[in-house]
Amino acid sequence: DTAVSQTPKYLVTQMGNDKSIKCEQNLGHDTMYWYKQDSKKFLKIMFSYNNKELIINETVPNRFSPKSPDKAHLNLHINSLELGDSAVYFCASSQGGAQRETQYFGPGTRLLVL
Amino acid sequence: AQSVAQPEDQVNVAEGNPLTVKCTYSVSGNPYLFWYVQYPNRGLQFLLKYITGDNLVKGSYGFEAEFNKSQTSFHLKKPSALVSDSALYFCAVSLSGGYQKVTFGTGTKLQVIP
Repeated sequence: DTAVSQTPKYLVTQMGNDKSIKCEQNLGHDTMYWYKQDSKKFLKIMFSYNNKELIINETVPNRFSPKSPDKAHLNLHINSLELGDSAVYFCASSQGGAQRETQYFGPGTRLLVL
Repeated sequence: AQSVAQPEDQVNVAEGNPLTVKCTYSVSGNPYLFWYVQYPNRGLQFLLKYITGDNLVKGSYGFEAEFNKSQTSFHLKKPSALVSDSALYFCAVSLSGGYQKVTFGTGTKLQVIP
C-alpha cells in the first residue's frame, strides 16, 4: 500500500492554464506539506497544514492555493501557470509538528509548463 | 533563521570504502537534524535524525551520523559503501518549539563506483 500518493505523476500544460495536484496519505498523520523541487534539486517548503489548518505559508505567489478537505488530503491548485512553475512538487506527511517528526514523502508530480 | 550547508555537490567513493557526506547547520537554538535520501525519480526517504541524547545516531541501511555541537556539524557516514547507496542525500534542520519548518540543504550526490 502506498503511504503518500500523488496524482497526477506527470503534468504537461500551457502557460496561463489552471491545474490541480492531489495528495492523499493513509498513515493517519495529522500534518501534511507541499514542497517544490527545482531543476537543481533544491527543495523548498511551500505550505504545511495541521488538522486542516494552515500553519506554514512560505513566500509563495498567491496563484498557489492549497486546500485540505480532511486530515488525509492536501491538494494544491495553481492558477495562471508560468514557465517558472515547472518543477517537481512533493507532498509529505508527518505525525505532529514538523520539527522533530519524520516526514514521509510522496513520489512527486512532475510539472512542465510550456 | 536557520540554514544548512552541504559543501559538496558530489562525492565519489569506491565500493567497499567508507563514505562521508558533510553537513553543517546554523540555528539560534537547539536543532533537530535529519538525513533523507532521494533515489532517481522518487520522493525523499528518511534515513535518520538527531533530536536529543546520544550524539551518534544510527539509521537505515547501515548509515550513521554524529551530532557535533561545537562544530555545528552532522556528517553522514557509512563504513562500507555499496553501489546501491548511489543517490542524492539531503541534510535538514529544524528548531524546537511550536510549529517550525524544516529547512533542507542543497543535496549531495553520492556516486559509489564499482
